[in-house]
Parts: sequence; structure tokens; C-alpha cells
Amino acid sequence: GNSVTQMEGPVTLSEEAFLTINCTYTATGYPSLFWYVQYPGEGLQLLLKATKADDKGSNKGFEATYRKETTSFHLEKGSVQVSDSAVYFCARSSYSGNTGKLIFGQGTTLQVKP
Amino acid sequence: DTGVSQDPRHKITKRGQNVTFRCDPISEHNHLYWYRQTLGQGPEFLTYFQNEAQLEKSRLLSDRFSAERPKGSFSTLEIQRTEQGDSAMYLCASSLGLPTDTQYFGPGTRLTVL
Repeated sequence: GNSVTQMEGPVTLSEEAFLTINCTYTATGYPSLFWYVQYPGEGLQLLLKATKADDKGSNKGFEATYRKETTSFHLEKGSVQVSDSAVYFCARSSYSGNTGKLIFGQGTTLQVKP
Repeated sequence: DTGVSQDPRHKITKRGQNVTFRCDPISEHNHLYWYRQTLGQGPEFLTYFQNEAQLEKSRLLSDRFSAERPKGSFSTLEIQRTEQGDSAMYLCASSLGLPTDTQYFGPGTRLTVL
């Protein structure tokens, strides 16, 4: 089927720790891949994206590389901050018909402690 | 640019009542999406508009749900005869020129059906 699977949370880290949130997808063709973030009390915001294989998306110290061979788009950050505490959603585009609708994973909650 | 806005932010209603939500996309964004998000899950696609044309509807959108975008600008989502299972966050997103352009999300309308 067509889906997005993320590692389950919550993920709890100390400040300055290394972060990895795993994301894998199933799809026909080569979708665009996204990471969205939802801070407490706020709406979904695009964090980064990649539109083709081997592309690396990056923003605010976060990175993710589009791996076609492993159908993955893992999110990484070298040193997390308390302000990174949020829910992170991996998503892929779905090119059915003319729509660019997104298919989301279930979300991973990150808690960063000082 | 004020971003995507949604109204109301919160709605509490009794089972069987009708509710209507409004979404104002970013100015000049041709593409508008509605998603539904339940607790602990990622958003799920409901429906998509390109300008005023509704081009795709999810199977999640039962016949109690109807959406419009009459002038290709704001959109409304109506739920008739609400059920407790309709309780969720309803998200609106818009994108600019291509269906594959980045989607920008509004803050959502949280519906509680008692």
C-alpha cells in the first residue's frame, strides 16, 4: 500500500544530544518527501523537504536525505535544544489524479530536557 | 502575508447538530486542501480544490460532509448531523501554483461533539 511509517515516540533527549527520527515510506514512483513540525499550541509548519532521490533537505540544523534504495527519509539533528520539543511528522506527496495531497505518518513526539 | 486562517478555532456541539468551518488560504494560492487529524495521529486528507473546482474527495468524506470554494478564494467545510466520531482537528492548507508546491497549514478548527 501507500503509507508513511515513523518511529514511535515519545523520544526524550537531553539538550545537545543527537537526534534521529526514522521515517520510511511505500509508494509507486518517486514522491516528494517532507518533514513537518507542530510546536505546542501551533499549527503544522514545513521543516524541510526533498523532491528527488539523494536530495538533502535542511533547515534550522535539521537534515534529512531522500534514500530511494531504502525508501527512507530519516530526520537528524546534531545537537537538540529545549525549543525543539514538538511533534514531528514525516509525509510524502501522492500524485493521484491532479492532486498534491500529502500522506502523513503518525507523528513522533520529541521532548528535550535541559 | 498573514498565512492561512481558520475560523472558528474551537467548536463544541451536540450530536446531531450541523457545523460549518471556514478557511481563508494565502492570497493567490490556487490549491486548497482539507485534512482531519485525530489525537495521536497524523493528518488525513479529506478533499482538494483547484480554484473553485473540487477535484478529489477522500473516502473518509461521508455524505454528511460537504465542502465548497465558491469563488476560488475561501472555503467552507460543513458537517451535517454530527457524530461523536467526528470529533477531531480539521486542518486547511493551501499551495501556490502547482499541486506539488509546498502546502502551508492553518491553525486548525478543533471540533468536539458531545
